[in-house]
Amino acid sequence: DIVMTQSPDSLAVSLGERATISCKSSQSLLSSSNNRNYLAWYQQKPGHSPNLLIYWASTRESGVPDRFSGSGSGTDFTLTISSLQAEDVAVYYCQQYYTSPPTFGQGTKVEIK
Amino acid sequence: QFQLVQSGAEVKKPGASVKVSCRTSGYPFIGFYIHWLRQAPGQGLEWMGWVNPKSGATNYAQKFQARVTMTRDTSIDTANMGLSNLRSDDTAVYFCARGGSAAIEEPTAVFDYWGQGALVTVSS
Repeated sequence: DIVMTQSPDSLAVSLGERATISCKSSQSLLSSSNNRNYLAWYQQKPGHSPNLLIYWASTRESGVPDRFSGSGSGTDFTLTISSLQAEDVAVYYCQQYYTSPPTFGQGTKVEIK
Repeated sequence: QFQLVQSGAEVKKPGASVKVSCRTSGYPFIGFYIHWLRQAPGQGLEWMGWVNPKSGATNYAQKFQARVTMTRDTSIDTANMGLSNLRSDDTAVYFCARGGSAAIEEPTAVFDYWGQGALVTVSS
């Protein structure tokens, strides 16, 4: 199985400041056939189901605010929240769908400083 | 409005079985795979498997292969997940999630809509 490792486990950011989460995979998620990275990001608020933010590493899901962006390729990926809002307090997960079984990172908890 | 509505919380004893249902609405049920995932208290997300509502085909994570059964009922747009021989470490919130076109053999496992989750507690 592909192992996904996120860092940090938690971070506290001031309102309006940038938050950056790293995700590394144990093998490349880049497909040579379509040049796409099979990496998604989810947001999970306390007591709620996860919510899809980004797929193909950098494609924002419909309705997701543009302060959320994804980047990276191969084995190293980043989720950036450009200007943290109070409603962004949540746990964020990366997930690979390059091979079955799909696997998740351990999660990164984002709080307000 | 796409919706996946799951059945309610369950309390089971070790060794028992549980069935969680996931009723969908707002989109063609047979058009998309339904996946099942779980989240133990305070823990991350774990994928359990999928069912193709169009064909009934299933694929289970190796960890659950011997204990899980995923089915679908196209007459009521509902997917079901059964887990047998429950243990205390099966205590978790179980989610259904939509992911990937059912027209292709293997789903693209991006989970765009989720059920609200069903807490299964296993305790003697």
